[in-house]
Amino acid sequence: QLQLQESGPGLVKPSETLSLTCTVSGGSIRGSSYFWGWIRQPPGKGLEWIGSIHYSGATYHNPSLKSRVIISVDTPKNQFSLKLSSVTAADTAAYHCARLDCSDTSCFFNYWGQGIQVTVSS
Amino acid sequence: QSALTQPRSVSGSPGQSVTISCTGTSSDIGAYNYVSWYQQHPGKAPKLMIYDVSERPSGVPDRFSGSKSGNTASLTISGLQAEDEADYYCCSYAGSYINYVFGTGTKVTVL
Repeated sequence: QLQLQESGPGLVKPSETLSLTCTVSGGSIRGSSYFWGWIRQPPGKGLEWIGSIHYSGATYHNPSLKSRVIISVDTPKNQFSLKLSSVTAADTAAYHCARLDCSDTSCFFNYWGQGIQVTVSS
Repeated sequence: QSALTQPRSVSGSPGQSVTISCTGTSSDIGAYNYVSWYQQHPGKAPKLMIYDVSERPSGVPDRFSGSKSGNTASLTISGLQAEDEADYYCCSYAGSYINYVFGTGTKVTVL
């Protein structure tokens, strides 16, 4: 059974960079039909797609966050990572990693991590 | 890109049916048959319930069904059960620039 687990600091200071890693177990990150994504959920609010990456390195980002987001993949470690720079209180959220299963026509988020709560505060 | 619009809450008694709407635009739901739905219990990870508008992953009860008309997608839960009480989110592909947009979320309450 595929499992995804987020890890990283739970507290980040304003203006600093949030760094999270998602470790994939029970399957390889090197699948041509898969993308790996980050989604966040502010307290009491809905889900927001942050960005996605393919093991080949191809990346896609939410335009509203694009200038602050770096998503990378480490295939030997079966991990992918998120860096969000210049954070503010508005970036406080639960951050989920997920696998997107893709066919010729569509993709959907088929497997999710439990999520990690990140608070931006001094 | 604005979030897709969902009702804040819907409710029903056990055995009844409830339908959750998800309204987007001609650039997302109206343009692609790539709508998915996710169920989230408190403190848990979201779970895929429907993909490609109306396809059910293996293991998801056939009480859950999806449809789309124009810029609005819908999730129907038939024969409502206590364990269906959760938050539900729709999601649509929105093109190669925006990529994915989620709905505002709907809380389903089983009375």
